[in-house]
Amino acid sequence: QQQVKQSPQSLIVQKGGISIINCAYENTAFDYFPWYQQFPGKGPALLIAIRPDVSEKKEGRFTISFNKSAKQFSLHIMDSQPGDSATYFCAASRPGANSKLTFGKGITLSVRP
Amino acid sequence: GAVVSQHPSRVICKSGTSVKIECRSLDFQATTMFWYRQFPKQSLMLMATSNEGSKATYEQGVEKDKFLINHASLTLSTLTVTSAHPEDSSFYICSARGGGRATDTQYFGPGTRLTVL
Repeated sequence: QQQVKQSPQSLIVQKGGISIINCAYENTAFDYFPWYQQFPGKGPALLIAIRPDVSEKKEGRFTISFNKSAKQFSLHIMDSQPGDSATYFCAASRPGANSKLTFGKGITLSVRP
Repeated sequence: GAVVSQHPSRVICKSGTSVKIECRSLDFQATTMFWYRQFPKQSLMLMATSNEGSKATYEQGVEKDKFLINHASLTLSTLTVTSAHPEDSSFYICSARGGGRATDTQYFGPGTRLTVL
């Protein structure tokens, strides 16, 4: 059973466009939802994260929208740039010191010039 | 942001040898460190969780005698792949989570590419 599902599997966006990546989760005990960006041959880097007490969080060109009732959250990348081309992972974790991240399968974003 | 380093970044070894990978949190104390394995074009697979000074907790299906994890200090964890075989070739990534920060935030290292000949 996959607890965190990402969609679409891949995404191609034109430069300057908006990239939207969606995640759906199963476990209602999850209370922390980060997005990670990974370039080939590198480790993932934390991009932005949200907790369920807010419905939206924005940091620069990146915005997380959170819908608790639908158990969904999404990443919006505004003014997408070729340098944003990478693999994006959503994740979720439960509260507690021993909690661990459950990752989605990842989505490859390609931003065309 | 917090910095996690890994060493080496790339290692090639012969089948049957052991390889040690170091993971260090450079600017914070990591109460918990995680070791992941990633195959090409796939997601991260958690191998084990380690807390400083205690034994690592391994995920189901991960051989604890093959993948030895030591978390000897609040800034250092090591993963030793013992008697490595070609099927152990993979990208190994550590992450660290510290006290004094948002306790749920994990910071990842740059990864280590292991190739076993």
